[in-house]
Amino acid sequence: AQSVTQPDIHITVSEGASLELRCNYSYGATPYLFWYVQSPGQGLQLLLKYFSGDTLVQGIKGFEAEFKRSQSSFNLRKPSVHWSDAAEYFCAVASTNNNDMRFGAGTRLTVKP
Amino acid sequence: DTAVSQTPKYLVTQMGNDKSIKCEQNLGHDTMYWYKQDSKKFLKIMFSYNNKELIINETVPNRFSPKSPDKAHLNLHINSLELGDSAVYFCASSLRAGEQFFGPGTRLTVL
Repeated sequence: AQSVTQPDIHITVSEGASLELRCNYSYGATPYLFWYVQSPGQGLQLLLKYFSGDTLVQGIKGFEAEFKRSQSSFNLRKPSVHWSDAAEYFCAVASTNNNDMRFGAGTRLTVKP
Repeated sequence: DTAVSQTPKYLVTQMGNDKSIKCEQNLGHDTMYWYKQDSKKFLKIMFSYNNKELIINETVPNRFSPKSPDKAHLNLHINSLELGDSAVYFCASSLRAGEQFFGPGTRLTVL
């Protein structure tokens, strides 16, 4: 079965600094990959997804992610973080035949003024 | 025009009680899910239904029973609630092999 590792439990960045959240996956074929964001007390909102094609995908709120097959990674980036980006971020991988989605443990982002 | 809705948002109950959480989606999706998020924010899939048929049933106690009266609804019934059932439960829906859309969650507290 597929699985996801998010190595960083908690990251703190200053407002305006760049951000990269790491995600590594395990799956035997080309996976479907996702990044979701969860603000405190809220549900999960999709930031971006990769199904096929261009390995650099753009999402909402200025986020992007790059699929690197050789590294089994799908890292999330943002060039300049805003205070409103403080939240929990989840990487997820789904199989291509039955939508069985597995989530990483999440990375909590704190933004310093 | 809420896409995925859950009721109730908060549920506080005593150990041993039976409770249900309802989920409805108006997106026309054919697959619906239940997830459990524990206190450490870890999200674990519990069930997945496609066109009213159970397709994923992770290792959860049989006290948990999903019920799908139609494609737009997937309810979660929990018998004999235990302290360890306290968590946030999320409903989600998707088209087959598509991104999942999540409801706002139901925070269950078992006393």
